[in-house]
Amino acid sequence: DAKTTQPNSMESNEEEPVHLPCNHSTISGTDYIHWYRQLPSQGPEYVIHGLTSNVNNRMASLAIAEDRKSSTLILHRATLRDAAVYYCILREAYSGGGADGLTFGKGTHLIIQP
Amino acid sequence: EPEVTQTPSHQVTQMGQEVILRCVPISNHLYFYWYRQILGQKVEFLVSFYNNEISEKSEIFDDQFSVERPDGSNFTLKIRSTKLEDSAMYFCASSVDRFEETQYFGPGTRLLVL
Repeated sequence: DAKTTQPNSMESNEEEPVHLPCNHSTISGTDYIHWYRQLPSQGPEYVIHGLTSNVNNRMASLAIAEDRKSSTLILHRATLRDAAVYYCILREAYSGGGADGLTFGKGTHLIIQP
Repeated sequence: EPEVTQTPSHQVTQMGQEVILRCVPISNHLYFYWYRQILGQKVEFLVSFYNNEISEKSEIFDDQFSVERPDGSNFTLKIRSTKLEDSAMYFCASSVDRFEETQYFGPGTRLLVL
């Protein structure tokens, strides 16, 4: 899986939007961009994924740059429960011979202030 | 909502002892995974399992480790002779199939080897 770069930590205030960036300059055409998060003392949890177009779900939005070399996870209104480590992970699609396991980096530690 | 469950939540063992960590994946899922996370470090892929055999394994998954699906519901990770460095959080995950994008993680088993 191609490498991603994320800030070590970010801080935001409750009820405000949060934009978590991820750089993946070596992304290939068959790589999907996935986001997982890990709340304190819990297992990782899927957040969202996309290939080229921006994506929305009940948890978040994913904005993907036109050249796909970067993406941003957007939490529209952060709550204290969103305090977690957020991981940006590239996964090669089946057609590209994708691996089974997810490759986690250090992620971004999101701190939410009340 | 269906979820992955793991037992026990905590396990303390003596070095050299065998441990078995248990997981019940989501019932209609076909792919199963084990990951580990040493305290303060990244989540690391260990092994994936499909159709009653290992699909893929990482360098960490050496001969001391084995996995099994002894019945229709449980998925186990056995560490034959534990070492101090096996102390970690072990997460089980499952997915509908290999190419289903989302892996669902359990809450983890904290293993402490003394």
